[in-house]
Amino acid sequence: GAGVSQSPSNKVTEKGKDVELRCDPISGHTALYWYRQSLGQGLEFLIYFQGNSAPDKSGLPSDRFSAERTGGSVSTLTIQRTQQEDSAVYLCASSSRVVGYTFGSGTRLTVV
Amino acid sequence: QKEVEQDPGPLSVPEGAIVSLNCTYSNSAFQYFMWYRQYSRKGPELLMYTYSSGNKEDGRFTAQVDKSSKYISLFIRDSQPSDSATYLCAMNAGNNRKLIWGLGTSLAVNP
Repeated sequence: GAGVSQSPSNKVTEKGKDVELRCDPISGHTALYWYRQSLGQGLEFLIYFQGNSAPDKSGLPSDRFSAERTGGSVSTLTIQRTQQEDSAVYLCASSSRVVGYTFGSGTRLTVV
Repeated sequence: QKEVEQDPGPLSVPEGAIVSLNCTYSNSAFQYFMWYRQYSRKGPELLMYTYSSGNKEDGRFTAQVDKSSKYISLFIRDSQPSDSATYLCAMNAGNNRKLIWGLGTSLAVNP
């Protein structure tokens, strides 16, 4: 597609439930990133996929968080047993070169 | 100390003013410097990028990098209400694509 697509755009879930967030990157972009953005906290790196290389998971805050990228394209970020502190906007970006990520509009997650 | 420091503001200016946004950094290996603009409820979008030191101009926007001082700036001339957004600086060493981000500066341009 023309841009990075994320779904859902908004998600309200009960504490303790699992959620899946989807990212559809720009076709042909080999790099894909997940970030979390909380009010006043800036962009927090979560995970990075580059081609067929092992993903850089160094930013995942706990083992409740996991992500996969199937066929080098679509990615899913899964949060298990959600907690209230997981409430944030989850942003996905893709890139094909050293500079210039293209971001999606994000998924606004609210854990109640 | 964070690798990239950016004053979160908020910054409020009248329409037509010149705006100066800045970031400092500590890693001398950084070579690529970027400015992103983020409107409310949208993802950040790349505004400008500069490689190494120097200036780059694009319309009303000018990006400057001073590697000796580890300081980068974004200038907006003749600011417009449509420039109201959060501006984030980002940079990396070029050996991988993971960017290091500033917190972002919130800018409001008042008509």
